[in-house]
Amino acid sequence: ETGVTQTPRHLVMGMTNKKSLKCEQHLGHNAMYWYKQSAKKPLELMFVYSLEERVENNSVPSRFSPECPNSSHLFLHLHTLQPEDSALYLCASSQDFPRSVSETQYFGPGTRLLVL
Amino acid sequence: KQEVTQIPAALSVPEGENLVLNCSFTDSAIYNLQWFRQDPGKGLTSLLLIQSSQREQTSGRLNASLDKSSGRSTLYIAASQPGDSATYLCAVLVYSGGGADGLTFGKGTHLIIQP
Repeated sequence: ETGVTQTPRHLVMGMTNKKSLKCEQHLGHNAMYWYKQSAKKPLELMFVYSLEERVENNSVPSRFSPECPNSSHLFLHLHTLQPEDSALYLCASSQDFPRSVSETQYFGPGTRLLVL
Repeated sequence: KQEVTQIPAALSVPEGENLVLNCSFTDSAIYNLQWFRQDPGKGLTSLLLIQSSQREQTSGRLNASLDKSSGRSTLYIAASQPGDSATYLCAVLVYSGGGADGLTFGKGTHLIIQP
């Protein structure tokens, strides 16, 4: 595997379920990110982790709980979600945080989540 | 709060045409601006990154310009091909010092190149 991978690629869950999204980066990066992409809205930054420490929580509801056990893995634990949480959840990584002006982020393919 | 706007929201042109995608941002204090491509069912791929001190970047048939003072960027695609069909996203990096070192994105331009 190369780059940034995400599992599952698709997920359907009820509002009372608990599920987790997984992201893994094979780039040796130190920073990882969760973004949410809703229909007709821009990508929204949710969380930033640097060296396994959360450095940013962008006013995300507590029903979303991130976890970064090491610099290669990032999880997003989901519980009691609402239908409006249905979206594409994208994981990204970068070499460092904060990034240099010449550095980009590398994105995974995303998990398409549907909350019923 | 930084806001990024992309015009047009959608564009459909015949193969071979040259085209321009537009991006504007409200806060000129950016560190860089990036153009990404997003294909259905896939993540984002970085196309071009322009640092705040630069005016443009080129990669193959793609050329991106940046006018930081006016808060504008354009992505020029020469001799478009059906394989260029995708959603193109513009994003700016603003570091506040207190965090929030993620990118602020526009909604994207959905591009279709007709064979």
